[in-house]
Amino acid sequence: NAGVTQTPKFRVLKTGQSMTLLCAQDMNHEYMYWYRQDPGMGLRLIHYSVGEGTTAKGEVPDGYNVSRLKKQNFLLGLESAAPSQTSVYFCASSPHGQLSYEQYFGPGTRLTVT
Amino acid sequence: AQRVTQPEKLLSVFKGAPVELKCNYSYSGSPELFWYVQYSRQRLQLLLRHISRESIKGFTADLNKGETSFHLKKPFAQEEDSAMYYCALALTGGGNKLTFGTGTQLKVEL
Repeated sequence: NAGVTQTPKFRVLKTGQSMTLLCAQDMNHEYMYWYRQDPGMGLRLIHYSVGEGTTAKGEVPDGYNVSRLKKQNFLLGLESAAPSQTSVYFCASSPHGQLSYEQYFGPGTRLTVT
Repeated sequence: AQRVTQPEKLLSVFKGAPVELKCNYSYSGSPELFWYVQYSRQRLQLLLRHISRESIKGFTADLNKGETSFHLKKPFAQEEDSAMYYCALALTGGGNKLTFGTGTQLKVEL
């Protein structure tokens, strides 16, 4: 099992460009999440999904869109990148019905917007 | 508001010394709290959860509702404990959502 994988690992964008980050999990988890990690601010939830075809806003959703067309994939899109979106992005997944709240994280994507 | 506070950005201790990573929370109901750890070049992973009352890698954490705290402790620090530690609080509203603190970097010196 690969667990949670993220593509790409690194990316540099110019302001105004768009891109999509891909998250895939092979654990058949219902729930998936996108976080951003910034120095001194910890992990902040961007968007999440409780199942295929569903998405919901987290703490910092502005400037991002997401889609969950397949259960195993969760895509994060930046339509017009801004320098404030320079960050490390983490995807995570969690099984439904398990009250332990354990989330399984991907390796992260380091994004720089110039 | 549901919030987690980790007051220390960096904690430096010598090998063999006791470790205490502080975590305070704000939550009106019965909280579910967790510690996650991120070792260098590794993924963020669950270290322990308060409901299990377990000890993992020598670490323990006790929920103190009176002080709204969930501090992480280890009696004798090891070099391999050096990592970033995040305290997390389960959020209401379904989806197994968590809110994380800002993290504490633990550095164990020889």
